[in-house]
Amino acid sequence: KQEVTQIPAALSVPEGENLVLNCSFTDSAIYNLQWFRQDPGKGLTSLLLIQSSQREQTSGRLNASLDKSSGRSTLYIAASQPGDSATYLCAVKAGDNQGGKLIFGQGTELSVKP
Amino acid sequence: DTGVSQNPRHKITKRGQNVTFRCDPISEHNRLYWYRQTLGQGPEFLTYFQNEAQLEKSRLLSDRFSAERPKGSFSTLEIQRTEQGDSAMYLCASSLTLAPYEQYFGPGTRLTVT
Repeated sequence: KQEVTQIPAALSVPEGENLVLNCSFTDSAIYNLQWFRQDPGKGLTSLLLIQSSQREQTSGRLNASLDKSSGRSTLYIAASQPGDSATYLCAVKAGDNQGGKLIFGQGTELSVKP
Repeated sequence: DTGVSQNPRHKITKRGQNVTFRCDPISEHNRLYWYRQTLGQGPEFLTYFQNEAQLEKSRLLSDRFSAERPKGSFSTLEIQRTEQGDSAMYLCASSLTLAPYEQYFGPGTRLTVT
């Protein structure tokens, strides 16, 4: 059974710092991995999607990497800003692309202090 | 707005009542997913449709829960005889049936059972 874990559960940093959020998964047979952002009481916003054949994806100040063999992904945020404060979730899609579901970690709550 | 929409955004109901939520996916998306998220946790998969066919149901979807997508467009999720444990955010997502099957989420419906 696929399990996704995110460490740390919460993180507080001063504005301007570079930071790394971690995601690990137990079954390396994934199809893709998505990183999402969730503001309090809101839905999920997709940030980056990495296919299983890819090593990393970049969007602006965000860079996500994937090491499928070790079951790990990281989300790197450069020059953090107070507006980055939110919960960040990673989710994996199973390797059999006939199935649809995403399996989520519990999230990392990020607070960026001015 | 061409994103995923959900109604209502908030629902407060008394234990034992029935509730129904609606999700309108992105118009060209064939797949529609329902997830449930409790406070401090990542979303958990409930069920998904491809067009009007319900292809997978989680064991979380007890017999009090039913989901439909009658014409392959919008979907409804009904909870009968609500219990306090049903209090959660119910999230809907949609995707194409083409790689990379990226899922786009709606704003969610917050259910509170008193």
